Amino acid sequence: ELKVEQNPLFLSMQEGKNYTIYCNYSTTSDRLYWYRQDPGKSLESLFVLLSNGAVKQEGRLMASLDTKARLSTLHITAAVHDLSATYFCAVGRRQLTFGSGTQLTVLP
Amino acid sequence: NAGVTQTPKFQVLKTGQSMTLQCAQDMNHNSMYWYRQDPGMGLRLIYYSASEGTTDKGEVPNGYNVSRLNKREFSLRLESAAPSQTSVYFCASSDYRPPLPVASRMNTEAFFGQGTRLTVV
Repeated sequence: ELKVEQNPLFLSMQEGKNYTIYCNYSTTSDRLYWYRQDPGKSLESLFVLLSNGAVKQEGRLMASLDTKARLSTLHITAAVHDLSATYFCAVGRRQLTFGSGTQLTVLP
Repeated sequence: NAGVTQTPKFQVLKTGQSMTLQCAQDMNHNSMYWYRQDPGMGLRLIYYSASEGTTDKGEVPNGYNVSRLNKREFSLRLESAAPSQTSVYFCASSDYRPPLPVASRMNTEAFFGQGTRLTVV
C-alpha cells in the first residue's frame, strides 16, 4: 500500500525567508504532483514531475523529484504572504495518493 | 471552459437520507475520481473510473456507490447517510488511460471540481 508523508504539517515563516517542504513516499513511482489549496477552495495544480531529477520552478516555488530516494521537495524562496495556503503532494498514475498536507502561514 | 463541475456546493442531510452528488467534466478525460477531504487527513479516494462503464473501489468505498453515466459524468451516491460521512467531497478527472508505459511522459495530473460540503446530522 502506497503511503505518502509530508513534513512539516504546519509551517509558520517570516516573509522573506526560505524553507523546504518534504514529501516522502513508500513505493516506486515515476511521477509526483504538487497542489495548492486555499481555505474553503478546491485544489490547484502547481507542478507535475514526471521523471527522476525533474525540477520545475514557478515564481518563488521550486519542486524537485528524486525517484530513487522516493522524495520530492517544494522549496520556497523569499516567502510572501500570498503563498499562505495548504500544499499537498500526490503520487501515482491511475489514482493519486495524497499526503496530509502542509499548512503554510507566511507572517509579515 | 468549465473544467470539472460539481453539484451541489453545499448540502445538509439527516441521518439515513440518501442523495447523489453530480460531477461532469468537459476536458474529454478518460478517468474520473471521487475523493473526500477531512481535516488533517488529506484527500482519500472513494471510487474511481478509468473509462466509461468501469468503476473501482478506492481507499474508503464503504457507504458509497458510483455510476459512470458516460464519458463526461461520474456520480456519487450515499444510500443511507451517516454522520461519519460529513466531509468535503471532490470530484476530479485526468487523462490517465491504461496501459501507460513505464517511462511515459504523459501528464496524468488530476483536475478538481470546486467541492461539495456535506453535513450529516
